[in-house]
Amino acid sequence: DAKTTQPPSMDCAEGRAANLPCNHSTISGNEYVYWYRQIHSQGPQYIIHGLKNNETNEMASLIITEDRKSSTLILPHATLRDTAVYYCIVRVSRSNFGNEKLTFGTGTRLTIIP
Amino acid sequence: DGGITQSPKYLFRKEGQNVTLSCEQNLNHDAMYWYRQDPGQGLRLIYYSQIVNDFQKGDIAEGYSVSREKKESFPLTVTSAQKNPTAFYLCASSINTGVQPQHFGDGTRLSIL
Repeated sequence: DAKTTQPPSMDCAEGRAANLPCNHSTISGNEYVYWYRQIHSQGPQYIIHGLKNNETNEMASLIITEDRKSSTLILPHATLRDTAVYYCIVRVSRSNFGNEKLTFGTGTRLTIIP
Repeated sequence: DGGITQSPKYLFRKEGQNVTLSCEQNLNHDAMYWYRQDPGQGLRLIYYSQIVNDFQKGDIAEGYSVSREKKESFPLTVTSAQKNPTAFYLCASSINTGVQPQHFGDGTRLSIL
């Protein structure tokens, strides 16, 4: 699976949009981008995933560049409860076998400032 | 509500003792996974199971064992052969096709007395 690079930490003011970047310059054509977050002492929470089109759900939006070498997770109106470590993961989807392991790096520690 | 339940939340083990961590899911997911997380680090895969009565070793299976007798349950035993068992253990499950994401429980923190 392709390696990802994320900034180690970011701050964002409460109520503003939080934009978390991820670089995955070695991504291949059949690899998806997944985002998870982990609040201290809890299990990771799935946020969103995509292949090449931009995606939006009730939690966030995922913007993937046209060359797919980077992406941005957007939390549109950040709250204090969004303070967490955010992980960007690139993984092959194996349609004939299903899921295998997720490789979590060290992620971005996002702190929402009141 | 559907979800993944891990128990206990905190567990203490004496030297030389085996302990079993519970993971139950009511999401009707086929695949289940066990990960280990050490402070400041990412997750490492211990074992995974794609279907009942079948499981595969992950990257760090030594000193651990699992069983998958029921679709809903995937218990992990940390044996005395695991020399550094103190960690945060996470169980996950997923639908067994393609792009579906893994969903996680809230973890069990294991410590050695």
